[in-house]
Amino acid sequence: NAGVTQTPKFQVLKTGQSMTLQCAQDMNHNSMYWYRQDPGMGLRLIYYSASEGTTDKGEVPNGYNVSRLNKREFSLRLESAAPSQTSVYFCASSEVLQGWLQGEGQETQYFGPGTRLLVL
Amino acid sequence: RKEVEQDPGPFNVPEGATVAFNCTYSNSASQSFFWYRQDCRKEPKLLMSVYSSGNEDGRFTAQLNRASQYISLLIRDSKLSDSATYLCVVHLAGGYQKVTFGTGTKLQVIP
Repeated sequence: NAGVTQTPKFQVLKTGQSMTLQCAQDMNHNSMYWYRQDPGMGLRLIYYSASEGTTDKGEVPNGYNVSRLNKREFSLRLESAAPSQTSVYFCASSEVLQGWLQGEGQETQYFGPGTRLLVL
Repeated sequence: RKEVEQDPGPFNVPEGATVAFNCTYSNSASQSFFWYRQDCRKEPKLLMSVYSSGNEDGRFTAQLNRASQYISLLIRDSKLSDSATYLCVVHLAGGYQKVTFGTGTKLQVIP
């Protein structure tokens, strides 16, 4: 199993350019996430998808769009990149255990290797 | 007040030492707690879950104090390979997947 894969690993964009970050998981997980990690800020949730066909905003969704193409793939799109979007982007997936919504159970997030994005 | 707070460190300790990290959380409705490890320029990986009764995995011990709203991680007999950043992670339950990461505590184990 490859786990969670992300492409590209590195990217340099000019302000105003667009790009799509790709993420795929082969663990048959329902939930997938996009985070950004900045120095001193920790990981912040951009968007998440609880299941195929659903997406929801996280803490910092502005400037991003997502698509849950199927159960395996969850892409993140920057329509018009800005220098403030320079960051490391991580995709993650998890399996929500039965009873989670009632506060039972635990679930682990598995992360991809990350995409380092520089916007000039 | 941040939702999850950690001392950023760095903690510089000699090999063989015992080191402890604390993490406080602000939302009393928090349901699940974890410690993740992140090596430099790598992705976070689960180190261990934290249970109310406390749990141990080899040299690592995690504790949860719901009354005081903090969790701790104790590493005994530190190895050079333990050098990493340790992230405290808190999940809320109930209809919305709310996951909050701490900013991490950096550990450097010195020969």
